[in-house]
Amino acid sequence: AQKVTQAQTEISVVEKEDVTLDCVYETRDTTYYLFWYKQPPSGELVFLIRRNSFDEQNEISGRYSWNFQKSTSSFNFTITASQVVDSAVYFCALSEHTYNAGNNRKLIWGLGTSLAVNP
Amino acid sequence: DTEVTQTPKHLVMGMTNKKSLKCEQHMGHRAMYWYKQKAKKPPELMFVYSYEKLSINESVPSRFSPECPNSSLLNLHLHALQPEDSALYLCASSQGPGEKTQYFGPGTRLLVL
Repeated sequence: AQKVTQAQTEISVVEKEDVTLDCVYETRDTTYYLFWYKQPPSGELVFLIRRNSFDEQNEISGRYSWNFQKSTSSFNFTITASQVVDSAVYFCALSEHTYNAGNNRKLIWGLGTSLAVNP
Repeated sequence: DTEVTQTPKHLVMGMTNKKSLKCEQHMGHRAMYWYKQKAKKPPELMFVYSYEKLSINESVPSRFSPECPNSSLLNLHLHALQPEDSALYLCASSQGPGEKTQYFGPGTRLLVL
């Protein structure tokens, strides 16, 4: 069965600390996509990154970096030098390549990690 | 510009009221989605419209009625809701039904009294 596990429910750090959010997934498909979304207290889900299953290169975007390892079915997210504005709930999600009815994709969501960055 | 807008931002309604949530995108996307999100939970898919036709209904109660008047607009009509329907309702869109990335609006916080 397809599943996304975010084992860390809540993380609290002090500003400028580095923090890693873990994401482990299960899928039977060989082609799939992984995502991270950020949800600040305002409620909007902000898209951060998409990674397809054939691209295991790590990615860096400013203070954000992502480590994709197919061997361990993990797609971890690291924030370097965290800031108060990084406080949010972060969701990891899996989108399967196999099309369902109407050629749509469904996102399978982890339960989210609530990150609090304290000044 | 990856912007999806939703109105209203907040809505309080009684169980006998009829109200509508609206969602709009001008990115030329051809797939649009409604999600329901309860506190401290991930979003739950409700409906998917693909090329203005309903393609997925995740067994949502009939008191929720979606409508897609055109490729840019998505409505969710609400009638005879229950207090347990109180939640954040999120709209999203993607380039096409098979497109991989969904972009979300800011949501409507609904309270049913």
